[in-house]
Amino acid sequence: DAGITQSPRHKVTETGTPVTLRCHQTENHRYMYWYRQDPGHGLRLIHYSYGVKDTDKGEVSDGYSVSRSKTEDFLLTLESATSSQTSVYFCAISEVSAAVAQPQHFGDGTRLSIL
Amino acid sequence: QKEVEQNSGPLSVPEGAIASLNCTYSDRGSQSFFWYRQYSGKSPELIMFIYSNGDKEDGRFTAQLNKASQYVSLLIRDSQPSDSATYLCAVMVHYNQGGKLIFGQGTELSVKP
Repeated sequence: DAGITQSPRHKVTETGTPVTLRCHQTENHRYMYWYRQDPGHGLRLIHYSYGVKDTDKGEVSDGYSVSRSKTEDFLLTLESATSSQTSVYFCAISEVSAAVAQPQHFGDGTRLSIL
Repeated sequence: QKEVEQNSGPLSVPEGAIASLNCTYSDRGSQSFFWYRQYSGKSPELIMFIYSNGDKEDGRFTAQLNKASQYVSLLIRDSQPSDSATYLCAVMVHYNQGGKLIFGQGTELSVKP
């Protein structure tokens, strides 16, 4: 299994509070991603990183920010959580290839409930 | 039109049969295609990836790609109850720095003993 650790694995919090999810990898892969998975919407990309301090928005980035200060860590922050951000959050990593897109490998996920 | 479409299922097949899972995509420029398996409450797990037209086989799994028809499929031979899961089709599209995966909503497969 790819060395990806997400923390926490479960979290319950209240609307309006800040929340930070952490993704830690031991594979030294360049690319890291944050997805959310919701019934009826499948997996959707929130933000991704293509290197230390290099990040970009995905398709559902509103209300989320990210940071990557080290190759191995990618943080996802909800500045002021809302109930619509209740979801399962997955981190993924991939290597770089000049020839073809490399597969992404997923962490175990964080189940976040915002009351 | 959704970028990646899959039949949601559930698809039910008897043990030992061939399960056929289908996926269509809208971006003609897509070059890379992936199949993931996701058990309930677990994370997606990569099964196969395919880049070229034709078939790619790995054990009981065969991925088929037809870029002209914008169609990719996954065949599972000798289906087992342990294959019961949701299968996600994902297509890589170019996006700013690098690419991003666009996922279909998944097909639920049930293999009956």
